[in-house]
Amino acid sequence: KNQVEQSPQSLIILEGKNCTLQCNYTVSPFSNLRWYKQDTGRGPVSLTIMTFSENTKSNGRYTATLDADTKQSSLHITASQLSDSASYICVVSAPYSGGGADGLTFGKGTHLIIQP
Amino acid sequence: ETGVTQTPRHLVMGMTNKKSLKCEQHLGHNAMYWYKQSAKKPLELMFVYNFKEQTENNSVPSRFSPECPNSSHLFLHLHTLQPEDSALYLCASSQAAGTTYNEQFFGPGTRLTVL
Repeated sequence: KNQVEQSPQSLIILEGKNCTLQCNYTVSPFSNLRWYKQDTGRGPVSLTIMTFSENTKSNGRYTATLDADTKQSSLHITASQLSDSASYICVVSAPYSGGGADGLTFGKGTHLIIQP
Repeated sequence: ETGVTQTPRHLVMGMTNKKSLKCEQHLGHNAMYWYKQSAKKPLELMFVYNFKEQTENNSVPSRFSPECPNSSHLFLHLHTLQPEDSALYLCASSQAAGTTYNEQFFGPGTRLTVL
């Protein structure tokens, strides 16, 4: 069964510090991996999308890495800001197999709190 | 803003009520989705519409009834819900469903509470 496991479940850090969120998956075959940021009371917003051939991708202070061999990804946040407080969701996509949906498997998310 | 709007943002209803959730996308997309997000659980895909045709019904109880009159609008009709249906209901849209590198854009969600 395809699964996406994220750790930690929750994390509290001080403003200005760096942090790394982890995502392990068992989805196979693999097409791409996405990180979403979800602010409280809002829908998820895409941060990065990485395909099999990409092992790192940056979006401002967010840097995602992917190791397709070990089926692991991480999201590194540099110089955290109060606005980074949110849930971060890892989503793994299998190649389109002819069904009606997009073959996405969602993680439960990591709840990140930035304290002043 | 992502270009996907949802109304209402909050809804409280009794188990015998009938209500509808509305979603509208202003991105020119052809696919629309309903998801359920419960606390401490991954997002659960409920329905997918691609070019106005329903292409996915993920074993959703019949008390949830979707409607997609055109590619820009999606409704979720609710009747005789249960308290365990309380959750955040998210709408999303994308260029077309079932393509491998397909990015979905989410609305802000409707927070539903069933009493």
